[in-house]
Amino acid sequence: GAVVSQHPSRVICKSGTSVKIECRSLDFQATTMFWYRQFPKQSLMLMATSNEGSKATYEQGVEKDKFLINHASLTLSTLTVTSAHPEDSSFYICSAREGGPGRDTEAFFGQGTRLTVV
Amino acid sequence: GENVEQHPSTLSVQEGDSAVIKCTYSDSASNYFPWYKQELGKGPQLIIDIRSNVGEKKDQRIAVTLNKTAKHFSLHITETQPEDSAVYFCAASQYVSGGGADGLTFGKGTHLIIQP
Repeated sequence: GAVVSQHPSRVICKSGTSVKIECRSLDFQATTMFWYRQFPKQSLMLMATSNEGSKATYEQGVEKDKFLINHASLTLSTLTVTSAHPEDSSFYICSAREGGPGRDTEAFFGQGTRLTVV
Repeated sequence: GENVEQHPSTLSVQEGDSAVIKCTYSDSASNYFPWYKQELGKGPQLIIDIRSNVGEKKDQRIAVTLNKTAKHFSLHITETQPEDSAVYFCAASQYVSGGGADGLTFGKGTHLIIQP
């Protein structure tokens, strides 16, 4: 099956710094990638949808200047949490789908990144 | 937007018994309903999905049923085993031919506990 890899799996950063999370599709070309956020013992909340080569579409209430998403290639999307604060501590999960004429698929999830801001 | 309700939040069953988790959705345009299993500290893993052109789908011990009129769908796990213990999430979205599934709206999750 399709593999989506996230890096790092865990990261601790200081308040005020920025941290970048990578999401890679290893064996397929991802035309669309999704970023989710999950608080402890809660559900996944969609943050944004990114299509390769275009700007991401953010869900209501998600600050686009704080959560920068770049989807510059068909195998890589990055989420940068800028000027991180303790309340940004969460589990961030990406998913990716192939899409395209005759190649519609479900989205495959990465293993998640645990961000702790101290 | 879509709203997905999931029940129960916790479900404890004896090993070998069946487990049923139910979800309802609000957006009649949704036509794709996947179920995910999530273990602690890991990303969700797709276990089964159904599209609105079918009413039931089965894969070994796992089945999903969909009632589009009532806007609800259920996950059925038979002959439960200890390794089935995890958090299960239902989700809903729109699935476009040639495009794939849109971003998912998830239920709040069900913590399934299999008692030995």
